[in-house]
Amino acid sequence: GENVEQHPSTLSVQEGDSAVIKCTYSDSASNYFPWYKQELGKGPQLIIDIRSNVGEKKDQRIAVTLNKTAKHFSLHITETQPEDSAVYFCAAPGGNRDDKIIFGKGTRLHILP
Amino acid sequence: DAGITQSPRHKVTETGTPVTLRCHQTENHRYMYWYRQDPGHGLRLIHYSYGVKDTDKGEVSDGYSVSRSKTEDFLLTLESATSSQTSVYFCAISQQGNEQFFGPGTRLTVL
Repeated sequence: GENVEQHPSTLSVQEGDSAVIKCTYSDSASNYFPWYKQELGKGPQLIIDIRSNVGEKKDQRIAVTLNKTAKHFSLHITETQPEDSAVYFCAAPGGNRDDKIIFGKGTRLHILP
Repeated sequence: DAGITQSPRHKVTETGTPVTLRCHQTENHRYMYWYRQDPGHGLRLIHYSYGVKDTDKGEVSDGYSVSRSKTEDFLLTLESATSSQTSVYFCAISQQGNEQFFGPGTRLTVL
């Protein structure tokens, strides 16, 4: 089945700097890669996703890149702000079905003042 | 939270007692999911439903059962709760099975 590895587990960056979180996946047939943000005491929130027919997608200060050959995808946050502090999860389809997704173990992002 | 509610939001129970958690949606989405979230493990799928009365197991289904008798409700039952089932439980919904939207979670403590 699919295996999703996420790095780093913790990341601290100065406010205004960029943050990058990386994930690798094992199933070359996977074609959908979402990223979720979870704030303390809340459920995960879908912030951006990418499908395998594109290599990059941007939405204001966040972007996701996909390298299908290397089977990895990354979340980029530019001009970080205090409200970006949260836990971020990547995910990929689980096994043969696209109606299940497997999550990485998460990255806790700290934005330092 | 995309029209998803979970009840109860917090529950403390004793080992061996049955527990039922409820997820209710107002979005008419086809898919509904139950996850548990534990430190160091991220989010792990327990069971999911791809339609009324259609359910399937996830990666950590032992000790849990589910039922979906109507589109808007998905119930998770712990027949005999154990301390290892202390966790935060999240429900999610999806129209097509990929983009998932999560509820606010239920914190369950089994003493």
